Amino acid sequence: EPEVTQTPSHQVTQMGQEVILRCVPISNHLYFYWYRQILGQKVEFLVSFYNNEISEKSEIFDDQFSVERPDGSNFTLKIRSTKLEDSAMYFCASGRGSNEQFFGPGTRLTVL
Amino acid sequence: AQKITQTQPGMFVQEKEAVTLDCTYDTSDPSYGLFWYKQPSSGEMIFLIYQGSYDQQNATEGRYSLNFQKARKSANLVISASQLGDSAMYFCAMREGNTGANSKLTFGKGITLSVRP
Repeated sequence: EPEVTQTPSHQVTQMGQEVILRCVPISNHLYFYWYRQILGQKVEFLVSFYNNEISEKSEIFDDQFSVERPDGSNFTLKIRSTKLEDSAMYFCASGRGSNEQFFGPGTRLTVL
Repeated sequence: AQKITQTQPGMFVQEKEAVTLDCTYDTSDPSYGLFWYKQPSSGEMIFLIYQGSYDQQNATEGRYSLNFQKARKSANLVISASQLGDSAMYFCAMREGNTGANSKLTFGKGITLSVRP
């Protein structure tokens, strides 16, 4: 069964460094999302992406964040200058319509 | 007001018994969808079941069913014949509107379920 994949599974970085989190959505899906979950807290929406552009973003998704679909398969989240409070699990999700969102296994980001 | 409310403390259930996990929601949008996800200790988010606001029947997926009471704005997850592997955190989430491009999910705080052998 096809699934969303994410790499790396764990990323450790120094504060102020740039990180790129990678996702490969399910191949026939059209809608892509990033969420994050700070340890012990609920899952928060970051951004949705459709037709090669951002369709919606949250207040969390400020100028330090960007997303890209550089080719037909990858979907990336870039954080330009990481802060301690960016430490979280980042989930990519994809779906074919409004009634489904399948999540990847997540990337645990630790900012030191 | 919270859009998704999950207020149960940690839940315990005996193996092979059924359990209901509560979720209430708040929206003024007539078109919305409700999702349940399971998050085991390994951290991944596993999709379990979906209910659309216009669906006439309650959703079912194997041992999972959704008790959708629209007037009460509740969407409780029922797990029948609990298994040890059901021990996990369970999240209820809502999508408002009906377009895939604007389908952000708003999550509740989650409920921890422990299945006892």
